[in-house]
Amino acid sequence: GDSVTQMEGPVTLSEEAFLTINCTYTATGYPSLFWYVQYPGEGLQLLLKATKADDKGSNKGFEATYRKETTSFHLEKGSVQVSDSAVYFCALPPMRGAQKLVFGQGTRLTINP
Amino acid sequence: DVKVTQSSRYLVKRTGEKVFLECVQDMDHENMFWYRQDPGLGLRLIYFSYDVKMKEKGDIPEGYSVSREKKERFSLILESASTNQTSMYLCASGSGAGGKNIQYFGAGTRLSVL
Repeated sequence: GDSVTQMEGPVTLSEEAFLTINCTYTATGYPSLFWYVQYPGEGLQLLLKATKADDKGSNKGFEATYRKETTSFHLEKGSVQVSDSAVYFCALPPMRGAQKLVFGQGTRLTINP
Repeated sequence: DVKVTQSSRYLVKRTGEKVFLECVQDMDHENMFWYRQDPGLGLRLIYFSYDVKMKEKGDIPEGYSVSREKKERFSLILESASTNQTSMYLCASGSGAGGKNIQYFGAGTRLSVL
């Protein structure tokens, strides 16, 4: 079945560092791909998405490019801030059938000033 | 803005109690979901519903039931709470498929069963 694998955390960086959180997927066909973010004490919210191969999703300085040849959707940000401290989830909606999302395990990111 | 509201942020219950977690969404979404979130295990789907009075088991339905009598409301029921059900519970709603299948989450209910 469909699955998502994220790099294990936690990840700790200093402010203004470059961030990469890896995400790879296994799925039938070419699904859409999402990144969700969960700030402390809150629910998940959609950060960005890509709906087809070579699409780049972007929001709040974060970017992720859908690479079908490597089945990856890595999250990147050039200069992180303390306010980016959160848990990040890569997710995959099935192309048909049940509407549930398949989530990665989540990566906890802490940014130190 | 889409709003998904969970009735409680924190709950403390005793073992054996019947527990109700309530979730309401205001976007007329067909689909609603209950997840639990535990450290090291990520999000696990308990149940979901794609229409009023319809429900489907998720990955970990044991010990839980759900109710959806109205489109906007989806309740999670712990018939007899146990300590291993101590967790963060997240409700979500959404509609559409594929790239349109964006789920919107509530703030979560942190349940402690003593």
